[in-house]
Amino acid sequence: NAGVTQTPKFRVLKTGQSMTLLCAQDMNHEYMYWYRQDPGMGLRLIHYSVGEGTTAKGEVPDGYNVSRLKKQNFLLGLESAAPSQTSVYFCASSYIRGTPANTEAFFGQGTRLTVV
Amino acid sequence: GQQVMQIPQYQHVQEGEDFTTYCNSSTTLSNIQWYKQRPGGHPVFLIQLVKSGEVKKQKRLTFQFGEAKKNSSLHITATQTTDVGTYFCARNTGGFKTIFGAGTRLFVKA
Repeated sequence: NAGVTQTPKFRVLKTGQSMTLLCAQDMNHEYMYWYRQDPGMGLRLIHYSVGEGTTAKGEVPDGYNVSRLKKQNFLLGLESAAPSQTSVYFCASSYIRGTPANTEAFFGQGTRLTVV
Repeated sequence: GQQVMQIPQYQHVQEGEDFTTYCNSSTTLSNIQWYKQRPGGHPVFLIQLVKSGEVKKQKRLTFQFGEAKKNSSLHITATQTTDVGTYFCARNTGGFKTIFGAGTRLFVKA
């Protein structure tokens, strides 16, 4: 099993360009997440999904859109990139198991995005 | 808000010294999770605590959940260079939304 796979790993965008980050998981997890990581800020939740066809806003959703058309995929879109969106983006997935519920999150390798 | 606050932000230790990072919340937590991220890597799950006063150990790592379920700590005994990285605590909110603290970055000098 590959776990959680993110593509691309690196990208440089010009201000105003658009792009889509793809996250794929092969663990049949219900929950998927997109985070951004900036120095000193930890991991901030952008959007998340609790199942196929559903999405919800996280802590910092502005400027991003997401879609979960298939259970195994979670796409993060930037419609008009801004320098403030320069960051490392992590996708994660999790499922509920056991009692009490354990929701261990499995992370992808990250996408380093630079907006110039 | 729903944030969990972590202190310290950075910690430099000599190899063999102990290390502790703390995670605090203004509200009662249903659970607390701990993750480790090596430099250049991705976060990796270490443990989840759910019970008041719970203590769990993983080799040299000791995790505690406060009696009031508003704070948690991670203690590493006799640090090694392999312990270098950033340690994050995280909480699950309604709908299993996972919110992370800002992390404590550990530097270990050999």
